[in-house]
Amino acid sequence: SAVISQKPSRDICQRGTSLTIQCQVDSQVTMMFWYRQQPGQSLTLIATANQGSEATYESGFVIDKFPISRPNLTFSTLTVSNMSPEDSSIYLCSVEVAAGNTEAFFGQGTRLTVV
Amino acid sequence: RKEVEQDPGPFNVPEGATVAFNCTYSNSASQSFFWYRQDCRKEPKLLMSVYSSGNEDGRFTAQLNRASQYISLLIRDSKLSDSATYLCVVNTGGFKTIFGAGTRLFVKA
Repeated sequence: SAVISQKPSRDICQRGTSLTIQCQVDSQVTMMFWYRQQPGQSLTLIATANQGSEATYESGFVIDKFPISRPNLTFSTLTVSNMSPEDSSIYLCSVEVAAGNTEAFFGQGTRLTVV
Repeated sequence: RKEVEQDPGPFNVPEGATVAFNCTYSNSASQSFFWYRQDCRKEPKLLMSVYSSGNEDGRFTAQLNRASQYISLLIRDSKLSDSATYLCVVNTGGFKTIFGAGTRLFVKA
């Protein structure tokens, strides 16, 4: 299993500013994932954070808007840059301790409101 | 077509009812399957894995039909505490995990 500490749990931000979300895992994991969950919607994968290389972004998400750091095997950050009200959402980090047939573990989520 | 599709919700059922959720997936090469539960304002958590032989955990039964690319979750004797959103989740290999849009369940007293 894995325990993930994600912070902040919530924030209210002015448009045009940036917010960095942190996730700390209690064990070393190869891959960390960042998701967005908009109100009433399911989870959409933003990017996969790889240690030692650039993150891999899904269609519709770009590094300039969502820069990601992965300095080691237990930590990652996601920054939401130049925010607009459309970025208001829940952001979740996730890990899978092994590929394929295993459980995904999630951080508690960051509820972001952009005003 | 979405990669993972679920029944539209919400489901409103009385306590003690039996409720079934359905899910279909488009990638025939999908390898593993799960049901997650997400409470309001909380992160998703694994409810149960789904195996080809079907599996049961107390009041919950999950089934997989690979030929039809169909997954189901049956909840018997519904409790108020079962109220949540249930996410159908499919792993298509490696670390590629796809989440369904979720089905909301409200269990009423």
